[in-house]
Amino acid sequence: GIQVEQSPPDLILQEGANSTLRCNFSDSVNNLQWFHQNPWGQLINLFYIPSGTKQNGRLSATTVATERYSLLYISSSQTTDSGVYFCAVVFDRGSTLGRLYFGRGTQLTVWP
Amino acid sequence: NAGVTQTPKFQVLKTGQSMTLQCAQDMNHEYMSWYRQDPGMGLRLIHYSVGAGITDQGEVPNGYNVSRSTTEDFPLRLLSAAPSQTSVYFCASSYSSWETQYFGPGTRLLVL
Repeated sequence: GIQVEQSPPDLILQEGANSTLRCNFSDSVNNLQWFHQNPWGQLINLFYIPSGTKQNGRLSATTVATERYSLLYISSSQTTDSGVYFCAVVFDRGSTLGRLYFGRGTQLTVWP
Repeated sequence: NAGVTQTPKFQVLKTGQSMTLQCAQDMNHEYMSWYRQDPGMGLRLIHYSVGAGITDQGEVPNGYNVSRSTTEDFPLRLLSAAPSQTSVYFCASSYSSWETQYFGPGTRLLVL
C-alpha cells in the first residue's frame, strides 16, 4: 500500500553535530517536499526535490527516485534547527493524483 | 503578498456545533487543500480542490464539507463537531499538486 516512512523517529544532537534524516516511499512520485515544523507549529518549506540534489546553506537534500528514498542533511546543527522534519510526497499514479502524503516526521532536538 | 492565511487561530466548540474554518491565498494558486494534524502524526489530507468549482476527498473527509467558489478562498465546514475532530488544521496552496505547496499558520480546534 501507500507508505511514506521516515527515520529515525527521534534524534538528539549537540550543537555543531551533523545529521541525516531519511524518507522512504513506496511508489514513484512527482512531488517530494521536506518541511520543518518549528516549536510554534509553523510549517516551513525546506526543499521541493522530486529528484536530484539541492543545497540551501547548512541544509541539503538528495532524492534518488529510482530507489524510492530521499535524504535530508543538516550540518553544524543549531538549537534553532529543533523541531519536527516532515517528508511529503505526491505519488505518480491515478488513484492518488493530487494528494500529498506525509510521513510521521523526525523529532530533532539540538542541545546547546 | 500575504501568502496563505487562516482564521481563526484558535477555536473551542461544543459537541454538535458547526463552524467554518477560513482559508485564503493571494498567489493565484489553482490547487488548495486542507489537512489535519494529530499528536505524533504527520498531516492527513481532508479535502482538496484543483480549481474553482472542483473539489475532491482526501484520506479523512468524513464530517467535513468544502466548496470552492473563487480561486482565492477554500473554506472548511464542520457540520456537527465531535471530540474526534479536535486537531490542528492546516490549509495549503500551490499552482498544482506536483509543485511546491505552501502552508498557512494553522487553526487549533478543541471540541468539548
